[in-house]
Amino acid sequence: EPEVTQTPSHQVTQMGQEVILRCVPISNHLYFYWYRQILGQKVEFLVSFYNNEISEKSEIFDDQFSVERPDGSNFTLKIRSTKLEDSAMYFCASTPDSYGYTFGSGTRLTVV
Amino acid sequence: KQEVTQIPAALSVPEGENLVLNCSFTDSAIYNLQWFRQDPGKGLTSLLLIQSSQREQTSGRLNASLDKSSGRSTLYIAASQPGDSATYLCAVPESGGSNYKLTFGKGTLLTVNP
Repeated sequence: EPEVTQTPSHQVTQMGQEVILRCVPISNHLYFYWYRQILGQKVEFLVSFYNNEISEKSEIFDDQFSVERPDGSNFTLKIRSTKLEDSAMYFCASTPDSYGYTFGSGTRLTVV
Repeated sequence: KQEVTQIPAALSVPEGENLVLNCSFTDSAIYNLQWFRQDPGKGLTSLLLIQSSQREQTSGRLNASLDKSSGRSTLYIAASQPGDSATYLCAVPESGGSNYKLTFGKGTLLTVNP
């Protein structure tokens, strides 16, 4: 069964550093997403990406965040200057349309 | 704005028991509803997807029902096993948009005791 692949599985970074989280969505899917889950809290939407551009972003997705699909397969989330409160599990997901999501296994980001 | 609530927040049962997890949502204009399983510190595994036109879906020991008009879904687990221990999340796409972004409940933490 096709999978969404995320790397790395765990990243530790110092506050103020830039991080790039990587994802390979399912190849024939059209919609791509990043979600995050702070420990003990709900999974929350960050950004959706369709037709090579951001289609929607949440209030959380401020100027320190950016997404790219640089080569037609990879889908990246960049956090420019990490803060302690960015520590969370970040999930990439894709869907062909409204017929259900496939999530990756996540990247645990720890900012120290 | 869509709100998703899951009850109970935690549930502990002995092995072999049948159980029901509940999910409610405030906006009934949904395309579908999806149930996920999350093991501690891990990703989200899709269990069942129910389209808005369906009343229920089954996969093995799992059965999910959907009542759009009342804004409710249930996940029924038959003959529970210790390996079923996990957090179960339900999620619905935001209505009225074309991005299908999901709103999640906080989940039910299930513990099945041997």
